[in-house]
Amino acid sequence: GAGVSQSPSNKVTEKGKDVELRCDPISGHTALYWYRQRLGQGLEFLIYFQGNSAPDKSGLPSDRFSAERTGESVSTLTIQRTQQEDSAVYLCASSSQRGGPIDEQYFGPGTRLTVT
Amino acid sequence: AQSVAQPEDQVKVAEGNPLTVKCTYSVSGNPYLFWYVQYPNRGLQFLLKYITGDNLVKGSYGFEAEFNKSQTSFHLKKPSALVSDSALYFCAVRDGGSYIPTFGRGTSLIVHP
Repeated sequence: GAGVSQSPSNKVTEKGKDVELRCDPISGHTALYWYRQRLGQGLEFLIYFQGNSAPDKSGLPSDRFSAERTGESVSTLTIQRTQQEDSAVYLCASSSQRGGPIDEQYFGPGTRLTVT
Repeated sequence: AQSVAQPEDQVKVAEGNPLTVKCTYSVSGNPYLFWYVQYPNRGLQFLLKYITGDNLVKGSYGFEAEFNKSQTSFHLKKPSALVSDSALYFCAVRDGGSYIPTFGRGTSLIVHP
């Protein structure tokens, strides 16, 4: 596709359930980022993938959060045993990184997660 | 370490008037600075960036930003605001070789007719 896509667009789940969020980056983009955006807040970095290198997981808030990426394509963010404070919009972004860190990011529309 | 501040939660301007959305940053190396816009229920869209060179950077939708090294600022500007410019604006900074940007909390821009 032309842009970054994310699915589902909305997810309502019960506290304690596991959820899986999906991100399809722009074809050819080697870098992929996950962010969390709580209502009225800025973007909170979660995890960064660059090609086949080990991901930077320094932003993951707890061991209930994990993410995987298959090569340079799809990524999934998994939240286990969801809590109400996990309610937020989860944004995915990709970047070509051909120019190094000067390249801008391209964001998906986000997944709005509501934990009841 | 890198950080960015957007001191205003909200900016209100009348249509046709100039607008400024403020951003200041702190880095230990060379700053790479970005502005993004977020419309309701949408992801962020890239507006413009400063890497090096001319301090005045021009971007999408008539926006521009001025890099000021001495004041460590990168304010977003537009000479004549449109109602359709109403959105949430985010400033972001990367420090030198860092691949992970830090985003500000965002500024809500309201342009009224």
